[in-house]
Amino acid sequence: EAGVVQSPRYKIIEKKQPVAFWCNPISGHNTLYWYRQNLGQGPELLIRYENEEAVDDSQLPKDRFSAERLKGVDSTLKIQPAELGDSAVYLCASASGPREKLFFGSGTQLSVL
Amino acid sequence: AQTVTQSQPEMSVQEAETVTLSCTYDTSESDYYLFWYKQPPSRQMILVIRQEAYKQQNATENRFSVNFQKAAKSFSLKISDSQLGDAAMYFCAYMNNNDMRFGAGTRLTVKP
Repeated sequence: EAGVVQSPRYKIIEKKQPVAFWCNPISGHNTLYWYRQNLGQGPELLIRYENEEAVDDSQLPKDRFSAERLKGVDSTLKIQPAELGDSAVYLCASASGPREKLFFGSGTQLSVL
Repeated sequence: AQTVTQSQPEMSVQEAETVTLSCTYDTSESDYYLFWYKQPPSRQMILVIRQEAYKQQNATENRFSVNFQKAAKSFSLKISDSQLGDAAMYFCAYMNNNDMRFGAGTRLTVKP
């Protein structure tokens, strides 16, 4: 069984440029999460999807961040424009149902110069 | 809001010895789940152990066990017979419904 797949693994951009991250969850997993992990800290939730519906996006900076999960499968997280403080690892995770463990991808490490 | 606190930024253990990582959390809920995840340098978060709050029995997975004290809102991880491959960041996590929140992590070093 394939795990959660994220791409790209690394991304380096200049500030004010746009950037997008892609996530393919485990097949059949209805719940999908995007987390941001700053250096030396734990992951912080950005947005959670149940199928194609964003059920918790309270921590998503909506002025520059957007996300979508078309057809309730793959998801894309976008930042436009990127700021220096957005440098972090962006983790995607999926779960098969309520209260089930999360399976994580390897993350995308973003560096904003 | 639920918070998870890991008070030990770094811990060190001698190979084959035992180490305990601390975690406390704050919640007003009675039904929830607690997890320990391991994150090696590859960045992939790997589930170590899972505890259901309504179960009084402490979870165990081979060399890994927890001490779950619900009243004290404490959830520590004990690693027995530590191995070099156990070196990693360890994150404590709290889940209520589908909302999972993480602590700041503890970096574990294993000395040969």
